[in-house]
Amino acid sequence: GAVVSQHPSRVICKSGTSVKIECRSLDFQATTMFWYRQFPKQSLMLMATSNEGSKATYEQGVEKDKFLINHASLTLSTLTVTSAHPEDSSFYICSPLVGYGYTFGSGTRLTVV
Amino acid sequence: GQNIDQPTEMTATEGAIVQINCTYQTSGFNGLFWYQQHAGEAPTFLSYNVLDGLEEKGRFSSFLSRSKGYSYLLLKELQMKDSASYLCAVSGDDKIIFGKGTRLHILP
Repeated sequence: GAVVSQHPSRVICKSGTSVKIECRSLDFQATTMFWYRQFPKQSLMLMATSNEGSKATYEQGVEKDKFLINHASLTLSTLTVTSAHPEDSSFYICSPLVGYGYTFGSGTRLTVV
Repeated sequence: GQNIDQPTEMTATEGAIVQINCTYQTSGFNGLFWYQQHAGEAPTFLSYNVLDGLEEKGRFSSFLSRSKGYSYLLLKELQMKDSASYLCAVSGDDKIIFGKGTRLHILP
């Protein structure tokens, strides 16, 4: 149980464009979704927490207008990186709250050129 | 403030035993996780400790002392595939905070 599907796994986009990352819970309902970012050789940094049907809560230093999170249903949460820049290149991972929260999506490697 | 400390890198030999330590100071504590992460992949769950003591699961064991803010992950009979980063994470105040991870190198 607790299968999470995250897409795309890799994306390369031009600077200034937007990229949408989807995270679907396939066999359970995710009321809460955590979005993490991981730069090379660093640990996961929590970006924001979203709850189904309400606005996301962003961590300090994370621009809410740049990283748009939508959690409109219990099985789908999306993260849109708007006006992407090379410094946004990173590994983005979703993690739905399941019990004590031990599962992760497979991650999305974003490269902005 | 919240802080999780673990060594940056460790090296061990195939077949040996290695212990990765983690100390934490967090606001709120609901449990401590250990995850394994291979390069370019998402973390995978290894263990979860809520109460003090040792939890054993095959070759991997995890220990927790809440009063000391301390945990360790013990890996036995090391295999080459155990070369990875090991992340200590603490659950508290409605979110999970991760340490910076320990890169474990296994030598043949």
